[in-house]
Amino acid sequence: NAGVTQTPKFRVLKTGQSMTLLCAQDMNHEYMYWYRQDPGMGLRLIHYSVGEGTTAKGEVPDGYNVSRLKKQNFLLGLESAAPSQTSVYFCASRGIRGNQPQHFGDGTRLSIL
Amino acid sequence: DAKTTQPNSMESNEEEPVHLPCNHSTISGTDYIHWYRQLPSQGPEYVIHGLTSNVNNRMASLAIAEDRKSSTLILHRATLRDAAVYYCILSISSGSARQLTFGSGTQLTVLP
Repeated sequence: NAGVTQTPKFRVLKTGQSMTLLCAQDMNHEYMYWYRQDPGMGLRLIHYSVGEGTTAKGEVPDGYNVSRLKKQNFLLGLESAAPSQTSVYFCASRGIRGNQPQHFGDGTRLSIL
Repeated sequence: DAKTTQPNSMESNEEEPVHLPCNHSTISGTDYIHWYRQLPSQGPEYVIHGLTSNVNNRMASLAIAEDRKSSTLILHRATLRDAAVYYCILSISSGSARQLTFGSGTQLTVLP
């Protein structure tokens, strides 16, 4: 049972480059989330989705775009990477019923030079 | 936003119980209390959650104060594998998709 899988695990980019982080979940969850975690800090919500074809902004959305074309996938895009976006990115998903917990991937470590 | 307050760090001896406190004085009546933990180089892992009554599962127990302004996560017998950052989070009822707002958590060190 894979759960939440993030691709890639590591990446180094140059300032101005673009890239897409992929999150895939196999639990048929409606809700999906993208967070970033900077050293010594808790996670901050970037964007989230309440279902296929819908997305919404979280606490720190600037510089990022997302898409949810398929229920199982949630993509996070950086159009023009900046050093301030160096961070560890986590994806999570959860079911729609009640107060179910979020299930997290193992993260993508992204460095922008 | 409803916020939580936790000690920055705590230590425990292996095989002894650990009580991790959390204050959430601005909690609303329908906000759930969630606990997650994060081991080094991993994503957060769900531990337990509750609303009003104390809760038990295979990982831990959650004791919630009668006025709900504080809670305590109890690890009954700490192991070295329990060393992690523990986050106490309020799952706010008014937020779409019940967003979780992470604070900086409590770094638990387990001593052999």
